[in-house]
Amino acid sequence: QKEVEQDPGPLSVPEGAIVSLNCTYSNSAFQYFMWYRQYSRKGPELLMYTYSSGNKEDGRFTAQVDKSSKYISLFIRDSQPSDSATYLCAMSERGNQGGKLIFGQGTELSVKP
Amino acid sequence: DAGVTQSPTHLIKTRGQHVTLRCSPISGHKSVSWYQQVLGQGPQFIFQYYEKEERGRGNFPDRFSARQFPNYSSELNVNALLLGDSALYLCASSLDGRLGQFFGPGTRLTVL
Repeated sequence: QKEVEQDPGPLSVPEGAIVSLNCTYSNSAFQYFMWYRQYSRKGPELLMYTYSSGNKEDGRFTAQVDKSSKYISLFIRDSQPSDSATYLCAMSERGNQGGKLIFGQGTELSVKP
Repeated sequence: DAGVTQSPTHLIKTRGQHVTLRCSPISGHKSVSWYQQVLGQGPQFIFQYYEKEERGRGNFPDRFSARQFPNYSSELNVNALLLGDSALYLCASSLDGRLGQFFGPGTRLTVL
C-alpha cells in the first residue's frame, strides 16, 4: 500500500464548476500537507500548505485537512481553463524528516471553456 | 526574483554513462532537495541537503550521489545509467528544508 493515494483521473469539468481533489494517507506521522500544481513538462508550483486540521483559503482555492480520517482535499471555485494541469498532494513528517516530501500520483484536471 | 534554476534542460545519454545535473536555489535558501519524477507518477525523494550536509536520503541505489556547495548550489550525479533512470529530475529549494519547497523546471534525462 502506498503511503499517499490520489485518484489519477483524468477529471474533466466545465468552466465555472467547483472542483474537488482528494488524497488519503496511511502514515499518522504526517504533519505538513501541501498542494502543488504542475503544468505539462514543467516543475511543480506550490499552491498551498497547511499543518493543522481544518480549512485554509487562498482566493479561489481552499485546502482542507482531516487528520482523524487521514484525508485531505483541495477545492477550486469558479474553475478556469488556465486551471487545467496536474494537481499533486504532498506530505511530510515533523522533525528531520520534514524535508522529505511524499507525493501522491497526481490528478490530471481539464477545465473546458 | 530568480526562482530555482536547473541545467541542462534536456539530456540524452546511453546506458552505462555518467551524468551530472546542476541546481541553483532561490537566493537566501539554504536547503536543496532532489526528486525523480517518472511520467505519470508523483515526484520521488532522492536527497536533501541543508547547509552543505546531507539531511535525508530516499530509497535510491548508491549509483545516485549529490553534494551541496558553499554557495548552496547543488549537483546530482548518477553513475552507470540504466534505461529506468529516464525521468524528469527536479530540484527544490527552501529556507530551512521544511515547509515551502519551491521547485525548478527540471532536467529531462533520456537514457537510450
